[in-house]
Amino acid sequence: LAKTTQPISMDSYEGQEVNITCSHNNIATNDYITWYQQFPSQGPRFIIQGYKTKVTNEVASLFIPADRKSSTLSLPRVSLSDTAVYYCLVGVLRAAGNKLTFGGGTRVLVKP
Amino acid sequence: NAGVMQNPRHLVRRRGQEARLRCSPMKGHSHVYWYRQLPEEGLKFMVYLQKENIIDESGMPKERFSAEFPKEGPSILRIQQVVRGDSAAYFCASSPPEPEGPTGELFFGEGSRLTVL
Repeated sequence: LAKTTQPISMDSYEGQEVNITCSHNNIATNDYITWYQQFPSQGPRFIIQGYKTKVTNEVASLFIPADRKSSTLSLPRVSLSDTAVYYCLVGVLRAAGNKLTFGGGTRVLVKP
Repeated sequence: NAGVMQNPRHLVRRRGQEARLRCSPMKGHSHVYWYRQLPEEGLKFMVYLQKENIIDESGMPKERFSAEFPKEGPSILRIQQVVRGDSAAYFCASSPPEPEGPTGELFFGEGSRLTVL
């Protein structure tokens, strides 16, 4: 599975845009990039998934350059409730082993 | 439309006792995954099961840990002779038989927090 590297933590303020970049230099051709959000004392929650270019949903946008060696999760106009840990995962859910590995994640703290 | 249900939410055991954690997947889901999360760390894959079958248990410690997903009833993660290092949050996730979207999505429960005294 492709190893991912993302910042340990980021601080932001309400109303700002938060961009979290994840590096995955050895991403495989069939791999998808998926982001999960985890609040304290809760299980992770799927945010967004993409393969290339840009994906947008009601929660976030995901930007993936042509070489796919990195990706950026963009959270527009964050609020205090967006304070959470965000995990970048690279792989295929049904691939052999199904060992979707969550790295350390990025702790985002949104301040008033 | 209940989500993934895990119980107990909190469990306290003394060293040497057994811990049983239960997970009921979402309705219609036949794939269950167990993850362990130590404080301030990410989730570590333990085991992947389908009904009556263990598909991948490469993340499970070789001793004291076992998992099952019977034809009827919840999936169970069993830890025998618990030690202090087993203290962690254990999360269960489920997915449908066929993935929705390109590679599917894992739906997580709220976790079971095990404390070993």
